[in-house]
Amino acid sequence: AQKVTQAQTEISVVEKEDVTLDCVYETRDTTYYLFWYKQPPSGELVFLIRRNSFDEQNEISGRYSWNFQKSTSSFNFTITASQVVDSAVYFCALKPGTASKLTFGTGTRLQVTL
Amino acid sequence: SAVISQKPSRDICQRGTSLTIQCQVDSQVTMMFWYRQQPGQSLTLIATANQGSEATYESGFVIDKFPISRPNLTFSTLTVSNMSPEDSSIYLCSVCSGSSYNEQFFGPGTRLTVL
Repeated sequence: AQKVTQAQTEISVVEKEDVTLDCVYETRDTTYYLFWYKQPPSGELVFLIRRNSFDEQNEISGRYSWNFQKSTSSFNFTITASQVVDSAVYFCALKPGTASKLTFGTGTRLQVTL
Repeated sequence: SAVISQKPSRDICQRGTSLTIQCQVDSQVTMMFWYRQQPGQSLTLIATANQGSEATYESGFVIDKFPISRPNLTFSTLTVSNMSPEDSSIYLCSVCSGSSYNEQFFGPGTRLTVL
């Protein structure tokens, strides 16, 4: 069975602060894919990143960075110098290599204020 | 990445009626999915829309309540039948794309309110 845990329900930060969103997953598959999506108030789900289980390199894209650690089954997401436009719900998701179904975490609501 | 559109973007419906949601993709895709997101909740897979055959439903979802069509590789519909207020949700179409079908993208969603 697959499981994704996002323990942080809601986080509030002041603009320009750095913030890390945690994601812990469980799977018995050796091949799997991890995703992060952003859902702004408008409701659409915006794809941010996909990482496969064989690639533990951390990734940076502008102000966003991701830390994948298989030893702790975590795939954390850091926003550097947060902005008000980063306010959204962020979902971590897992897909086994043999299946097509995405298992989502419960999401973390990020509120960035001035 | 695939570009996905959904119609309608939102609707307010009366109890007992049905609504059909359309999903259009700008390229042929093998796998299309329908997800539900109840208010304040995470996303749950309703079913996989199979081209040329019946949809594959997840536990807790049945064809009579959520009939799905997939007439070709770019289009699918989801019907929410005999609606009740508990069906008020965002319904999202999703497709697998990429060379190994492991990139997954979502449509803009249909926000449904049932009175």
